[in-house]
Amino acid sequence: EPEVTQTPSHQVTQMGQEVILRCVPISNHLYFYWYRQILGQKVEFLVSFYNNEISEKSEIFDDQFSVERPDGSNFTLKIRSTKLEDSAMYFCASSGGQGNPSGANVLTFGAGSRLTVL
Amino acid sequence: AQTVTQSQPEMSVQEAETVTLSCTYDTSESDYYLFWYKQPPSRQMILVIRQEAYKQQNATENRFSVNFQKAAKSFSLKISDSQLGDAAMYFCAYSPRFVGNQFYFGTGTSLTVIP
Repeated sequence: EPEVTQTPSHQVTQMGQEVILRCVPISNHLYFYWYRQILGQKVEFLVSFYNNEISEKSEIFDDQFSVERPDGSNFTLKIRSTKLEDSAMYFCASSGGQGNPSGANVLTFGAGSRLTVL
Repeated sequence: AQTVTQSQPEMSVQEAETVTLSCTYDTSESDYYLFWYKQPPSRQMILVIRQEAYKQQNATENRFSVNFQKAAKSFSLKISDSQLGDAAMYFCAYSPRFVGNQFYFGTGTSLTVIP
């Protein structure tokens, strides 16, 4: 079964450092997302990406965040200058299979990247 | 505004018994999808079940079924014959069908299964 893969599974970084989280969405999906989950709390939407541009972003997704699809397969989330409160689990997800209407509104998640900011 | 509310932060059930998790949502859309996602201790979000709002029949997936009440904007999940592996965080989610392919999540219900 197709899956969304994320790397790294866990990253520890110093406050102020840049972090890049990588995701490979399901190959025929059209919509890509990043969500964040602070330990024990709800899943928070960060950003959605469609047709090579951001389609929607939340208040959390401020200037320190950026997303990119550099090569047609990877989908990356960059945090420019990490803060302590950025420590969380970051989930990549994709949806919208081409030629598969039933896949258009199903969100498939990766296993997550745990970010720890010291 | 689209909101999803899960009023039960924690629930518990005896193994082999049945439990129902509640979810309500608010929307002005008439066509949308509803989901239940499971997040076990491994933290990966796994789709449990999906309901299409234009279908009156409640979705079922093996031991998992939903009670979809469109007028009441209610979407509860029933787990029958609960197993230890069902212990997880369960998130209800909503997605409008033709509006930006966005997904909105509730705050989750932590389910404990008692042996």
